[in-house]
Amino acid sequence: EPEVTQTPSHQVTQMGQEVILRCVPISNHLYFYWYRQILGQKVEFLVSFYNNEISEKSEIFDDQFSVERPDGSNFTLKIRSTKLEDSAMYFCASSEALLGGSGYTFGSGTRLTVV
Amino acid sequence: KQEVTQIPAALSVPEGENLVLNCSFTDSAIYNLQWFRQDPGKGLTSLLLIQSSQREQTSGRLNASLDKSSGRSTLYIAASQPGDSATYLCAVRWMTTDSWGKLQFGAGTQVVVTP
Repeated sequence: EPEVTQTPSHQVTQMGQEVILRCVPISNHLYFYWYRQILGQKVEFLVSFYNNEISEKSEIFDDQFSVERPDGSNFTLKIRSTKLEDSAMYFCASSEALLGGSGYTFGSGTRLTVV
Repeated sequence: KQEVTQIPAALSVPEGENLVLNCSFTDSAIYNLQWFRQDPGKGLTSLLLIQSSQREQTSGRLNASLDKSSGRSTLYIAASQPGDSATYLCAVRWMTTDSWGKLQFGAGTQVVVTP
């Protein structure tokens, strides 16, 4: 079964450093998303991406965050200057269609720890 | 305000009992609702997707129902097994004109099936 692949599975970084989280969505999917889950809290939406541009973003997704699809397969989330409160599990997801379809497929996540 | 609620937050049952997990949402204008399973520290595994036009979906021992008018979905897991122990999340895609398909998650129900 097709999978969304995320790397690395765990990243530890110092406060103020830049991090890039990587994702390979399912190949025929057109819509890409980043979500995060702070320990003990709900999964929350960060950003959606379609046709090489951001289609929607949440209040969390401020100027410290950016997303990119640098080639035909990868989808990245960059955090420019990490803060302690950015520590969370970050999930990438993709979907085939905006409506209907087979729903979302999520990756296994990257656990980001900011120290 | 659009909200997704899951009650109870935790549930413990003996092996063999049927599980009933509840999800309620405040706005009946949804595109679809998706149930996920999350193991500790892991990613989200899609279980079932119900489109707004459907009343239920089934996969093996899992059955999910949807009642839009009352703002409820129920996930039934028949003949529970210790391997069903996990957190179960429901997520809703709202039918809003400015939404590009983001999901809103409930907080989840943590299930423990005891041998």
